[in-house]
Amino acid sequence: GAVVSQHPSWVICKSGTSVKIECRSLDFQATTMFWYRQFPKQSLMLMATSNEGSKATYEQGVEKDKFLINHASLTLSTLTVTSAHPEDSSFYICSAGILGGETQYFGPGTRLLVL
Amino acid sequence: QQPVQSPQAVILREGEDAVINCSSSKALYSVHWYRQKHGEAPVFLMILLKGGEQKGHEKISASFNEKKQQSSLYLTASQLSYSGTYFCGTEWGSGGSNYKLTFGKGTLLTVNP
Repeated sequence: GAVVSQHPSWVICKSGTSVKIECRSLDFQATTMFWYRQFPKQSLMLMATSNEGSKATYEQGVEKDKFLINHASLTLSTLTVTSAHPEDSSFYICSAGILGGETQYFGPGTRLLVL
Repeated sequence: QQPVQSPQAVILREGEDAVINCSSSKALYSVHWYRQKHGEAPVFLMILLKGGEQKGHEKISASFNEKKQQSSLYLTASQLSYSGTYFCGTEWGSGGSNYKLTFGKGTLLTVNP
């Protein structure tokens, strides 16, 4: 149980384009989903907390208009990186919390490379 | 404010033991331990709630000292599969934050044959 999937696992795009990353909870309903960014050999940095049916809460320093988050259902959250730049290249990981559960469960991550 | 993990890295031979520490400057509600292998997502190991409990998972166990605001992860008789980066994620205050965690910088554990 507690399986979280992400799609795509790899994406390469040109600078200036937008990229959408999907995060799905496969066998449970996720009331809360989290989006992280991880640079090589660094820690997991929380970008935003996403609650189903409400606006995402962004961490300080994360641009809301650049990283659009939509949590349309209890099993799906999307992160759209708009007007991507090479410095946005990173490993993006989502996680989901189960109502009444004990922790977050992570998806496999999406590696983004912006050329 | 990130929790502080120590050591930053540790190298073991198979069968040796290791301790990884996680300290917080703020009162902790819970501590979550994860292991991440290179290029993969973190995998949940265990959670400790305030109350000073200790938990075990095979040969990996952890303790939580609420007064000292720290947790320690114990790996005994290490196996090659234990290699990876270990992160502690902390939840502060009185909980109820929908599991919002702040992660330490990680401890890179390498187990050699």
